[in-house]
Amino acid sequence: SAVISQKPSRDICQRGTSLTIQCQVDSQVTMMFWYRQQPGQSLTLIATANQGSEATYESGFVIDKFPISRPNLTFSTLTVSNMSPEDSSIYLCSAAETGVYEQYFGPGTRLTVT
Amino acid sequence: AQKVTQAQTEISVVEKEDVTLDCVYETRDTTYYLFWYKQPPSGELVFLIRRNSFDEQNEISGRYSWNFQKSTSSFNFTITASQVVDSAVYFCALRTSYDKVIFGPGTSLSVIP
Repeated sequence: SAVISQKPSRDICQRGTSLTIQCQVDSQVTMMFWYRQQPGQSLTLIATANQGSEATYESGFVIDKFPISRPNLTFSTLTVSNMSPEDSSIYLCSAAETGVYEQYFGPGTRLTVT
Repeated sequence: AQKVTQAQTEISVVEKEDVTLDCVYETRDTTYYLFWYKQPPSGELVFLIRRNSFDEQNEISGRYSWNFQKSTSSFNFTITASQVVDSAVYFCALRTSYDKVIFGPGTSLSVIP
């Protein structure tokens, strides 16, 4: 199974600023995803990070607010832009290898916006 | 529409008791995949099991067992002789041919020593 790391593990940010979260996978993977988990809630898919093309966003999430990059098959970034307290959540990166149906998850980034 | 329901929001059991976590799913796809994940207090999601729609064989792994029944669209998870380390939030999830994974709301399990 893929091993996934995320940086930073947590951060406290001020309203109106932006934070970029990095996700590194220890092997080349076909698919990478970004999820948001609000306190006490389930996971909500933000977008699928596509290598070499724009990310595919889910309903309710837009590129201006959550720009995503995926420059290669092992790395992706998620930026949370112009943050507000409502963006306080855990942000999780996940990956799925070719032919493997389950996703593996990074440890998450705990974001608090004040 | 795809949907995953976990009717039990919170469960508390005393150590060594058996506990079953319920999962009911909805999909019109004939090919799909079901998963269980564990999220301990540390926050990291741990993959436990995958089941394919064409394989209804139940599975046992140590103290964990899973009962998949297509007739009732259920994929239940039983922990036998629960331990304090089993305390976590457990998520049931569904993946269809469109590759997106839909997570249920989760069941928070507390095992009391």
